[in-house]
Amino acid sequence: ETGVTQTPRHLVMGMTNKKSLKCEQHLGHNAMYWYKQSAKKPLELMFVYSLEERVENNSVPSRFSPECPNSSHLFLHLHTLQPEDSALYLCASSQEAQGGTEAFFGQGTRLTVV
Amino acid sequence: GQNIDQPTEMTATEGAIVQINCTYQTSGFNGLFWYQQHAGEAPTFLSYNVLDGLEEKGRFSSFLSRSKGYSYLLLKELQMKDSASYLCAVMENTGFQKLVFGTGTRLLVSP
Repeated sequence: ETGVTQTPRHLVMGMTNKKSLKCEQHLGHNAMYWYKQSAKKPLELMFVYSLEERVENNSVPSRFSPECPNSSHLFLHLHTLQPEDSALYLCASSQEAQGGTEAFFGQGTRLTVV
Repeated sequence: GQNIDQPTEMTATEGAIVQINCTYQTSGFNGLFWYQQHAGEAPTFLSYNVLDGLEEKGRFSSFLSRSKGYSYLLLKELQMKDSASYLCAVMENTGFQKLVFGTGTRLLVSP
């Protein structure tokens, strides 16, 4: 238990579906991240929220839409995905104000697009 | 931008010592992290270096040379449960923090 909880753990969706991934952190952190992990590729940073404001969007396609309603919750809204979007999506949190503090990861959502 | 390199796979035997190297090129360096990730699980924090030198934590040690853009993770007295991927990650600070990962090194420990 890392203090970061992601739901669902597994998700299968069609290319025309709309779904959302949820992340909740109980660590009092003020920065949250979405990462994508595909086979044989490094963890790819998708979005960064610092103090509930999006500060980084790493050229992610618009079919991925993040939302951070407060410092404890982070969502990733998905629509009209492609099969190549199938991957493990990891949420992480850290304490932004302190330099070099570690990021804590959730267990991830294994997404399969069919 | 970031460029982080580490070997793809390594093998070692139980009880042995293994060193996993990581080289990086970055701007706004604010520390280097090592994470362990077992298959199907979340990455978990192992170590953090921001100054040059060796940080020891039980069976695991991590070294950093900022001038060379180089780090290694040293695992001693290997156990079967150490079979996992080891991820080198650089913290970049350009107004906010972000952690950028290498591809990871899959370590297989055999009896």
